[in-house]
Amino acid sequence: IAGITQAPTSQILAAGRRMTLRCTQDMRHNAMYWYRQDLGLGLRLIHYSNTAGTTGKGEVPDGYSVSRANTDDFPLTLASAVPSQTSVYFCASSAGQTGELFFGEGSRLTVL
Amino acid sequence: AQSVSQHNHHVILSEAASLELGCNYSYGGTVNLFWYVQYPGQHLQLLLKYFSGDPLVKGIKGFEAEFIKSKFSFNLRKPSVQWSDTAEYFCAVKRGTGFQKLVFGTGTRLLVSP
Repeated sequence: IAGITQAPTSQILAAGRRMTLRCTQDMRHNAMYWYRQDLGLGLRLIHYSNTAGTTGKGEVPDGYSVSRANTDDFPLTLASAVPSQTSVYFCASSAGQTGELFFGEGSRLTVL
Repeated sequence: AQSVSQHNHHVILSEAASLELGCNYSYGGTVNLFWYVQYPGQHLQLLLKYFSGDPLVKGIKGFEAEFIKSKFSFNLRKPSVQWSDTAEYFCAVKRGTGFQKLVFGTGTRLLVSP
């Protein structure tokens, strides 16, 4: 089934450790996004990429980095995890310029 | 900066009650408007969208939304809710044409009691 695959689905991580959340899409969408979802704050954009080879910062980029080496993959890296990065992370993609997003199943990250 | 406001953070209804969730945005130009739904433990799914044309948009599962440009609003409605509509609902706005990031509201949690 076409869509977005995120891994891992859940992870507990010690503070200070490096972590990469993986995201792969098979819909050939140009744009990809990483959001974090926190209670009472809704979805906040971390980083995005509107085409392979380019990335941009969202509203909460600090402590995170991304890369977009090809169309399908958009990994999110936490270089040194902190407890405030405990959240549910959603990867999404969009085709064209309508803005309609397709979401992955999410990755629940707990930083202790 | 563009913002999206959802005034109701929590809504509790009985089955068969009517639903209206408010959404207002601050951008004055051309917009694309969306409502997404997130069922417990699941990812966000598109409920309905407005790009242009008829301002009354019908979506899945009996939901509809009305774009009122003069009020900068895109309220979500359903005449009769079901227990299975228990979920969190997010309004989202994309401004202008070309590549622009989607801006989400903070969400409304709906609990429908049987």
